Amino acid sequence: AQSVAQPEDQVNVAEGNPLTVKCTYSVSGNPYLFWYVQYPNRGLQFLLKYITGDNLVKGSYGFEAEFNKSQTSFHLKKPSALVSDSALYFCAVRDRTGRRALTFGSGTRLQVQP
Amino acid sequence: NAGVTQTPKFQVLKTGQSMTLQCAQDMNHNSMYWYRQDPGMGLRLIYYSASEGTTDKGEVPNGYNVSRLNKREFSLRLESAAPSQTSVYFCASSSSGGALDTQYFGPGTRLTVL
Repeated sequence: AQSVAQPEDQVNVAEGNPLTVKCTYSVSGNPYLFWYVQYPNRGLQFLLKYITGDNLVKGSYGFEAEFNKSQTSFHLKKPSALVSDSALYFCAVRDRTGRRALTFGSGTRLQVQP
Repeated sequence: NAGVTQTPKFQVLKTGQSMTLQCAQDMNHNSMYWYRQDPGMGLRLIYYSASEGTTDKGEVPNGYNVSRLNKREFSLRLESAAPSQTSVYFCASSSSGGALDTQYFGPGTRLTVL
């Protein structure tokens, strides 16, 4: 069975500083990996995904994520945080067989302080 | 182009009452999904429909039924609501349901069962 772990319930960072939101996964074979963001009282919005190729994936709003196969990780990063980045972030995984839906992590709340 | 829409936005039920959550998408997607979101647990798949005319159970299907009415619409029914079904429900859709797909989410329905 596939699974995702987001070890931090909350990440606090000062505006202008770099941010990292951690994600590790477990899946049979090579994974497809996704990051979504949820703003208060809104649905999830797609940020980026890793399919294959370059381990550094660039996405929306200046976010990027680094795929590390040996560490089974897919950490979300941004060089300079904005207050408006404050939201709930979800990592998700799908394996490359079958047609199942995504398996989500429990979410990490990012708080960017002015 | 509204994307994925859900009705109602909020609902309060008494234990034992029934209701149907409605979801529609205008992106001509083949696959549709119902998730529930509970604090600290991320999103969990209730049911999904890989294509019109098919439905399959997800991780937490007990107490729910679904209907894929046509390509656009996918409804979720609670026949006899229980307090454990208090949650935020999200509908999502994707192009083909394949592993590469990006899922697009609706704004959610916040359900409280008393």
